[in-house]
Amino acid sequence: EAEVAQSPRYKITEKSQAVAFWCDPISGHATLYWYRQILGQGPELLVQFQDESVVDDSQLPKDRFSAERLKGVDSTLKIQPAELGDSAMYLCASSSIAGAAYNEQFFGPGTRLTVL
Amino acid sequence: EDKVVQSPLSLVVHEGDTVTLNCSYEVTNFRSLLWYKQEKKAPTFLFMLTSSGIEKKSGRLSSILDKKELFSILNITATQTGDSAIYLCAGGSNYKLTFGKGTLLTVNP
Repeated sequence: EAEVAQSPRYKITEKSQAVAFWCDPISGHATLYWYRQILGQGPELLVQFQDESVVDDSQLPKDRFSAERLKGVDSTLKIQPAELGDSAMYLCASSSIAGAAYNEQFFGPGTRLTVL
Repeated sequence: EDKVVQSPLSLVVHEGDTVTLNCSYEVTNFRSLLWYKQEKKAPTFLFMLTSSGIEKKSGRLSSILDKKELFSILNITATQTGDSAIYLCAGGSNYKLTFGKGTLLTVNP
């Protein structure tokens, strides 16, 4: 069964360091989402891609976060510099249906980031 | 701003009990209500509801949507220890899913 792949699964870093997370969506899924889930909260959308284009990055803290999906397939989310408050689970999701975020999104296993 | 509120935030029951999880939403240009189950890994899809009053069922789980009252419930009958998880509710528009904080369900043997 096709799955969304993410790596690394766990990342521990010190504040002010740079970190990067990778996501490979289900093959053929044109829409890709990055979410941040703080402990005890639901996932919050950071950025949405349609193919290689950013559709929505209104909740992405652009002073330190960046995201790209250069060839419209896999994607990288970067934080530089990391802050203590960035400790969270970073989830990637994909969907086969464009322009319809209300449909089922398939989630990857996530990257748990701890900033010391 | 879109908002989804789940209750209770946590719940402890014994195996065999029936539970009802609640979700209320305020979502601009609402299109759907989704339920996910999250164990110590990725959220897994349970249901997507788009029409009021039509119950969706999968084994011991069922869910229904009330678009007039902006409300959905998720029922689990004859609970098992494997049902222990966080249950997430999300309101969907064309643009995004807005998640609630989740209900942490613990089923004790």
